Amino acid sequence: GAVVSQHPSRVICKSGTSVKIECRSLDFQATTMFWYRQFPKKSLMLMATSNEGSKATYEQGVEKDKFLINHASLTLSTLTVTSAHPEDSSFYICSARDEIEGYYEQYFGPGTRLTVT
Amino acid sequence: GQNIDQPTEMTATEGAIVQINCTYQTSGFNGLFWYQQHAGEAPTFLSYNVLDGLEEKGRFSSFLSRSKGYSYLLLKELQMKDSASYLCAFMDSNYQLIWGAGTKLIIKP
Repeated sequence: GAVVSQHPSRVICKSGTSVKIECRSLDFQATTMFWYRQFPKKSLMLMATSNEGSKATYEQGVEKDKFLINHASLTLSTLTVTSAHPEDSSFYICSARDEIEGYYEQYFGPGTRLTVT
Repeated sequence: GQNIDQPTEMTATEGAIVQINCTYQTSGFNGLFWYQQHAGEAPTFLSYNVLDGLEEKGRFSSFLSRSKGYSYLLLKELQMKDSASYLCAFMDSNYQLIWGAGTKLIIKP
């Protein structure tokens, strides 16, 4: 299957700082990428849908000024957590959508564990 | 509205067979996915069904009945490494995945 990379895999930052997470589709072009957040023992929560060359679509309750998403190319989307606070500590997962023979499949990055101290 | 439901937790024995059920309700449907997620890791793709019937892939099979809004994931010859959460998700009319809460599968020796 297709490969999606995510960097960094783990990051610890101080409260008030910003953190950027990169998501790359390595062997396919992804017009659409998704950013998810997952709390321990909970299911994935979609934060936003990122479309190449246009503004991201945020889910209800997700602050767009706090979680900045940039999908600058067909293989790269970034999520920047601005002015991070301890409650932003979570597992952030990106996925990229690939169209295969008329249907869509989503491939996930390995995730980024963010800890805000 | 949209709704998807699967059991919270299941337990099975190594070497046995287990079936994880998933029911859903939606007006727009573009396929049903099963993902496996080990603790602390991102989900990995297992199967995709868009037409009714059974899709077999090695030890794993997935079934779909669109008229009943029902799918199941069947795992045969269970191994300890199959202990994980199994996530059911359907793709809606906007091609967005709607996720179930996941089924935690515990395999006992």
